[in-house]
Amino acid sequence: GENVEQHPSTLSVQEGDSAVIKCTYSDSASNYFPWYKQELGKRPQLIIDIRSNVGEKKDQRIAVTLNKTAKHFSLHITETQPEDSAVYFCAARESGTASKLTFGTGTRLQVTL
Amino acid sequence: ETGVTQTPRHLVMGMTNKKSLKCEQHLGHNAMYWYKQSAKKPLELMFVYSLEERVENNSVPSRFSPECPNSSHLFLHLHTLQPEDSALYLCASSQVSGGGTGELFFGEGSRLTVL
Repeated sequence: GENVEQHPSTLSVQEGDSAVIKCTYSDSASNYFPWYKQELGKRPQLIIDIRSNVGEKKDQRIAVTLNKTAKHFSLHITETQPEDSAVYFCAARESGTASKLTFGTGTRLQVTL
Repeated sequence: ETGVTQTPRHLVMGMTNKKSLKCEQHLGHNAMYWYKQSAKKPLELMFVYSLEERVENNSVPSRFSPECPNSSHLFLHLHTLQPEDSALYLCASSQVSGGGTGELFFGEGSRLTVL
């Protein structure tokens, strides 16, 4: 099955700096890569996703890049703000299984003032 | 109520107890999921009910038993649990066909403590 690795496990940045979280996946046929944000005590929520036919996607301060050859994808947050502090999970969807996502272990991002 | 709702939000049970977690989705989705969230571990998929078909993670112990009576309701029946089963259990739903993106919509979770 699919295996997703995520790094770093914790990340501390100063407000206004950029944050980058990286994930690798094992199934070269995976075609959908979402990112979820989970604030303390809250449910995970989708913040951005990318499909395998696209190399980069941007939504305001958040961007995701995908390198299919290397089987890795990254989340980039620019101009970080305190409300960006949360745990971020990457995921990959197995080919042929429209309903199954495999998640990474999560990155705890702390944005300090 | 909108979205995905889970009850109870908190549950403390002994190892010999039998309890159930309930999930309801009001999004018209056709797939529902149970995930287990433990500290420093990835979200672990336990069960999927998709298009009325059940898919399960073979590593989930039989002391966890899912039930999906219809596309809007999902239960997780618990019996003779172990302390290591203490975790946050997240229910989610998604639309897996008919133009759906497959985005997971999570509930708030049920925090389970096994004594």
